[in-house]
Amino acid sequence: EAGVTQSPTHLIKTRGQQVTLRCSPISGHTSVYWYQQALGLGLQFLLWYDEGEERNRGNFPPRFSGRQFPNYSSELNVNALELEDSALYLCATGGRNNQPQHFGDGTRLSIL
Amino acid sequence: AQSVTQPDIHITVSEGASLELRCNYSYGATPYLFWYVQSPGQGLQLLLKYFSGDTLVQGIKGFEAEFKRSQSSFNLRKPSVHWSDAAEYFCAVGSPNTGTASKLTFGTGTRLQVTL
Repeated sequence: EAGVTQSPTHLIKTRGQQVTLRCSPISGHTSVYWYQQALGLGLQFLLWYDEGEERNRGNFPPRFSGRQFPNYSSELNVNALELEDSALYLCATGGRNNQPQHFGDGTRLSIL
Repeated sequence: AQSVTQPDIHITVSEGASLELRCNYSYGATPYLFWYVQSPGQGLQLLLKYFSGDTLVQGIKGFEAEFKRSQSSFNLRKPSVHWSDAAEYFCAVGSPNTGTASKLTFGTGTRLQVTL
């Protein structure tokens, strides 16, 4: 069974640019969660999508947004990139019936 | 609001020695509890989970954890550490009100170093 896949693995951007990160869930998982792991800040919850709807949002500005597609894959968009957006962005997916969240290997985003 | 504390930022143990990583949580009731491990440059791998029932749970790679309600703790243990266990370990809590379909709150992690 394929795990959670994220793309790309690495990205280098400059301040003010926009970026899109992608996540494909484990087959049968309908929920997608995005987390940010920044140096010194730990793992912070960003967004949760389920059945195509945004269910919950962490304490991040509106320039962090995303969506979930009918096949349950998801995109995370970050606009107007700032230096502090440099981090590892992790996607996790989960299903119903108390299936725990499983994580992808992340996308490392570096802002110059 | 729920929170997780991992009081040890960094732990060093010798290969073959026993290991205990501490985790304390703050939550109004009994949360769902998880331990994840992260190797350098990789994502998080689920080691074990506690939802209810037996307070001693077994996980992968020989790890176990014990839920102690009176101490609000969920400590991770391994009787004999292998060099390949060197990684960062995260304790996390989730809300049973929404099942595992809710955000996880993570501790700040404990980095484990294993000496040969």
